[in-house]
Amino acid sequence: DAGITQSPRHKVTETGTPVTLRCHQTENHRYMYWYRQDPGHGLRLIHYSYGVKDTDKGEVSDGYSVSRSKTEDFLLTLESATSSQTSVYFCAISVGGNTGELFFGEGSRLTVL
Amino acid sequence: AQRVTQPEKLLSVFKGAPVELKCNYSYSGSPELFWYVQYSRQRLQLLLRHISRESIKGFTADLNKGETSFHLKKPFAQEEDSAMYYCALSPNTNAGKSTFGDGTTLTVKP
Repeated sequence: DAGITQSPRHKVTETGTPVTLRCHQTENHRYMYWYRQDPGHGLRLIHYSYGVKDTDKGEVSDGYSVSRSKTEDFLLTLESATSSQTSVYFCAISVGGNTGELFFGEGSRLTVL
Repeated sequence: AQRVTQPEKLLSVFKGAPVELKCNYSYSGSPELFWYVQYSRQRLQLLLRHISRESIKGFTADLNKGETSFHLKKPFAQEEDSAMYYCALSPNTNAGKSTFGDGTTLTVKP
């Protein structure tokens, strides 16, 4: 177990409000990722990080920002949530460095009304 | 651009029957291919990676570079195999930026 936890696990919010999801890992992994999971779209990469303060955009980054001030925490922020951002969000880490083998958190289900 | 296609959204088989979940990819280099599984209300977890060439829970997958496919197979499906399966491609540059297929929901009927 890579010791990865996400919080909150469930959140309901209203359009236009800011939301921050947290991903916390305990094993000092360098590479961390945020994906969203939507029916018919599989998993799509939002943002990723390759170290403290080093982040980059993924496939669907519009409307999202991230921060990584500590190795163990990778935060995903929706500055002004929209209904299209209703989704399940998964954090993941690369096992063994910059590899394609990912270990996922349990997911955060976000509903934007 | 890299792309992964899983042509079947839903697949239903009877217990004991063979099952094959299809995955096709497009990528100009030599990618790593993976299968992930998500059981009901659980996190996604790695099932197979093509490099290891091992069998997990009776599943195998062979990378066919000529056909750009990485189909997942099991000779005798079990009810506990019912889950969502994702095929994923990892590029040989920046390996963690994986591209996932849309997923196939497998239902194994008793």
